[in-house]
Formats: sequence, C-alpha cells, structure tokens
Amino acid sequence: LAKTTQPISMDSYEGQEVNITCSHNNIATNDYITWYQQFPSQGPRFIIQGYKTKVTNEVASLFIPADRKSSTLSLPRVSLSDTAVYYCLVGDKGNTDKLIFGTGTRLQVFP
Amino acid sequence: DAGVIQSPRHEVTEMGQEVTLRCKPISGHNSLFWYRQTMMRGLELLIYFNNNVPIDDSGMPEDRFSAKMPNASFSTLKIQPSEPRDSAVYFCASTLRGGTEAFFGQGTRLTVV
Repeated sequence: LAKTTQPISMDSYEGQEVNITCSHNNIATNDYITWYQQFPSQGPRFIIQGYKTKVTNEVASLFIPADRKSSTLSLPRVSLSDTAVYYCLVGDKGNTDKLIFGTGTRLQVFP
Repeated sequence: DAGVIQSPRHEVTEMGQEVTLRCKPISGHNSLFWYRQTMMRGLELLIYFNNNVPIDDSGMPEDRFSAKMPNASFSTLKIQPSEPRDSAVYFCASTLRGGTEAFFGQGTRLTVV
C-alpha cells in the first residue's frame, strides 16, 4: 500500500466543517483512497472511498484532485459524536491487499 | 449478518498462561485480518488470511504468537506464553474478495498481569 501522511490531531467546535487532508504521493494507478473512523473502545469503521474527483455519502465527502497525490475528508457541521480518530488508506480495491493503518488524525470536537 | 464477532470481549490472565482469541468473520468474506492496538504503537497488522490460507504473518511479533483459520467461518490467535507487554486490544476484520473495505469486530481487550 502507498504510504500516507496526515495530521496527528485537529480540534474543532460543534457546527463547524472539518477538513482532514491526507498525502499519498506514491499512489498507484489502480489504488483507491479509503477513510476509516474509529471511536474509543471500538474497531475502525469504513466511512468513504473514492478514486477521483468527489464522492459524497451520508457521513462525509471525499475530495480528490486530478493528480490524486492527496485527498481531503470533509465532515460537514461536526458534532461532539464526531470525536474520533480518522485513518486514510490507499490501496487496490480489486485485489487482496494488506490493510496498513497509519497513525490517523485524532479529531476532537468541543461544545 | 451480525458482523464480525470476536470473543472474549475482555480477558485478564497471568503472565505465562496461554491465551486464545477467537474471531468469526462475516459470512462470505474470504479475507481475514488480525490487528493489535496500543497507545504506543497504534493499530498494527499481525497477520492476514485469504481463503483460509495465511498470506503474510510478518507482523506477528514473535514465535509466542500463532494464528489459524481452520475454515472460512473461524479463526484463532493464540499467545503462548503470554507476557505483560502483550496487553492490548486485538481486533479481527474481514473483507469480501480482499480490497480495502474492511469490517472490524468489537475487539478483545487483553490484560496480562
């Protein structure tokens, strides 16, 4: 899997939009970008995946520029319950691959 | 489906004892992963299986750790003998046809005293 780099931590307040950027300079042609969310005392949970441009679901949006060397997870109007660790992974969706998690970004949302 | 099921949820054992952690992947998933999570080292991949066959166990810390997957619906991670530094939360995850959309269990919190 391509190596990823993301901020160690971020702080926000309820109601704000949060953008977490992940760098993946060595992304391969067949690689997809996947984000996971982990709450305390729980396992990581898949939240969104994309290949290029923009993907949106009920939880978040994922923005991927044309060169695909980075991606941004956008959480609209965060609440206290969005406090979690967010992991960015890059890998080939179609093939069996190791799922290597980095250090993730610890998001703390304040009232 | 009930998701990935791990047991036990909590385990406290004395140093030197054998510990067996269990995992039932989601039915139909053919890739299974074991992870260990600590504050110091984060989420580490220990081993993963495809179609019940171990593919990469390079993350297994030492010979005291072993993992098996006798069939598509069951896997174990065994530590023998256990040591205090093995204390961590151990997660099992499964995916369909490999790939990067994994489903994790609730984890087993292991404490070795």
